[in-house]
Amino acid sequence: EAAVTQSPRNKVAVTGGKVTLSCNQTNNHNNMYWYRQDTGHGLRLIHYSYGVGSTEKGDIPDGYKASRPSQENFSLILELATPSQTSVYFCASGDALGGSSYEQYFGPGTRLTVL
Amino acid sequence: QQKVQQSPESLTVSEGAMASLNCTFSDRSSDNFRWYRQHSGKGLEVLVSIFSDGEKEEGSFTAHLNRASLHVFLHIREPQPSDSALYLCAVSGTNYNVLYFGSGTKLTVEP
Repeated sequence: EAAVTQSPRNKVAVTGGKVTLSCNQTNNHNNMYWYRQDTGHGLRLIHYSYGVGSTEKGDIPDGYKASRPSQENFSLILELATPSQTSVYFCASGDALGGSSYEQYFGPGTRLTVL
Repeated sequence: QQKVQQSPESLTVSEGAMASLNCTFSDRSSDNFRWYRQHSGKGLEVLVSIFSDGEKEEGSFTAHLNRASLHVFLHIREPQPSDSALYLCAVSGTNYNVLYFGSGTKLTVEP
């Protein structure tokens, strides 16, 4: 029983269209994250959240919005998708282990292609 | 902002031979470091987390952190072909809730 799930797993969108990627976690973690992974760049942080109603900008937030309507769910929204947003997107949840020790757990990823 | 670099980009070793991966970072005040493994087309699997200088062993994986030299290493003891994957280093920034990733080392273990 996976603790972080993402939907859809694969998505093909058209340029200018709206895309919503969804993430659900059963870890009861306060923090959730959206990353994208491109060849040669590792994972780069797009948006993250500290809890319900909270969204924070990561390193590459331009062209993306995020929504945290509940503890379990965190969505990434592309209002006007562009081909440069073709990538693999990962969601993660995390919480402090004690002191400044910290862990993040990742979902399986969503492959998005924008034509 | 934390900068994380990994070397080599790719590494091929024979089954059973030690594999050593290197990760350098820019901010020595960080205290959260971890190594992830990612098999092709799959998600990230945490291998070992380390929070202070020295070594931390998890099964066949050993992380070695030296903040003075801005390095964290991953040593894989007796790797198997099933360990062939992309290995990612992640380091926290001043906000320990946020991780910065290197671009990864692609490890191939030949039978």
